[in-house]
Amino acid sequence: NAGVTQTPKFRILKIGQSMTLQCTQDMNHNYMYWYRQDPGMGLKLIYYSVGAGITDKGEVPNGYNVSRSTTEDFPLRLELAAPSQTSVYFCASSLLAGGGEQYFGPGTRLTVT
Amino acid sequence: TQLLEQSPQFLSIQEGENLTVYCNSSSVFSSLQWYRQEPGEGPVLLVTVVTGGEVKKLKRLTFQFGDARKDSSLHITAAQPGDTGLYLCAGDTGGGNKLTFGTGTQLKVEL
Repeated sequence: NAGVTQTPKFRILKIGQSMTLQCTQDMNHNYMYWYRQDPGMGLKLIYYSVGAGITDKGEVPNGYNVSRSTTEDFPLRLELAAPSQTSVYFCASSLLAGGGEQYFGPGTRLTVT
Repeated sequence: TQLLEQSPQFLSIQEGENLTVYCNSSSVFSSLQWYRQEPGEGPVLLVTVVTGGEVKKLKRLTFQFGDARKDSSLHITAAQPGDTGLYLCAGDTGGGNKLTFGTGTQLKVEL
């Protein structure tokens, strides 16, 4: 099993550009999450999904959108990128809700200039 | 609103020293997890504690969940350079499908 994979690993965007961060998991987990992490800090939840076709906002959803058309994929869309969105983005999946172990991808480092 | 505060935020120690990291909240958690994150990688689960007062040991790491299930601590005995990383606590309030992550403790263990 590859676990959770994320692409790209690095990206530089200009202000106002858009992009999609890809996330795929092969563990058949229903629960998937997108977080952002600023240097040396904890994780802030952007969006999450409890299954295909169901998504919900987390703590910091503004400026982002998600979709969940399959169990495996959970892409994160950035529209009109802003410098405040410079961060490292992590996707995670979990077999169980809430207190279940979350498995993280390697992250995407995004810089908006 | 950040519900989980970790202290200290940064810790730099010499190999062989002991240390304790704290995770505190005003909220009650049905369970609490500790993750370790190495540079350039995603967090990896170390342990989950569920019962108030529970103590779990993982080699040189000892985890404790507070009696009231509002706080937790991680104690490392005889720290080694391989323990270097960002330590994150994460709590489940039991009312949703997500975790709340703490502010993180950056640990550096030097030779």
